[in-house]
Amino acid sequence: EAQVTQNPRYLITVTGKKLTVTCSQNMNHEYMSWYRQDPGLGLRQIYYSMNVEVTDKGDVPEGYKVSRKEKRNFPLILESPSPNQTSLYFCASSDRTLNYGYTFGSGTRLTVV
Amino acid sequence: GENVGLHLPTLSVQEGDNSIINCAYSNSASDYFIWYKQESGKGPQFIIDIRSNMDKRQGQRVTVLLNKTVKHLSLQIAATQPGDSAVYFCAERYSSYKLIFGSGTRLLVRP
Repeated sequence: EAQVTQNPRYLITVTGKKLTVTCSQNMNHEYMSWYRQDPGLGLRQIYYSMNVEVTDKGDVPEGYKVSRKEKRNFPLILESPSPNQTSLYFCASSDRTLNYGYTFGSGTRLTVV
Repeated sequence: GENVGLHLPTLSVQEGDNSIINCAYSNSASDYFIWYKQESGKGPQFIIDIRSNMDKRQGQRVTVLLNKTVKHLSLQIAATQPGDSAVYFCAERYSSYKLIFGSGTRLLVRP
């Protein structure tokens, strides 16, 4: 089954404790992207990657890092999480045309206390 | 997502009625548009798309209309069912790698 898999689904952590949210896709997609979704603000892009070793900032990159060492994986790293990063996070992937848009993962609910 | 519906405009319809959800998009240069459905606890899912050289496209029970003059998209759902209850939002393809998402509308279907 074609899918984007992200883990964990739920995570509660404390301020300053480094964490990684993993994302993997099995569709051989070139593009991958991370979004956060907050009430009233919709989906906002954090980082995106157009191919292996090619990443760029989205609209809200502060406090986040990403890497794209392999085509299928695109982890999101929070080096020092803060409470304002409490959010619902989605990983997504697409082919290079963006036809049919992005295929999204099921989401990671992150709470930073 | 669990709280994605907060602060969103809400459309409440009776089961069996038709629903119309509207979206204003940002950029005249956008060439491709998508409607997504997001059910509680899930990621957004593709419903239907339309290219800028079209003004109407039909799927199964759904129709998308595009009015480029006023930069407006609409999603029509025929014979709305309880399973259609979700948040719906549009996305525009602004460049070869950039999708811009609208903020969404919550659809509630009354039995």
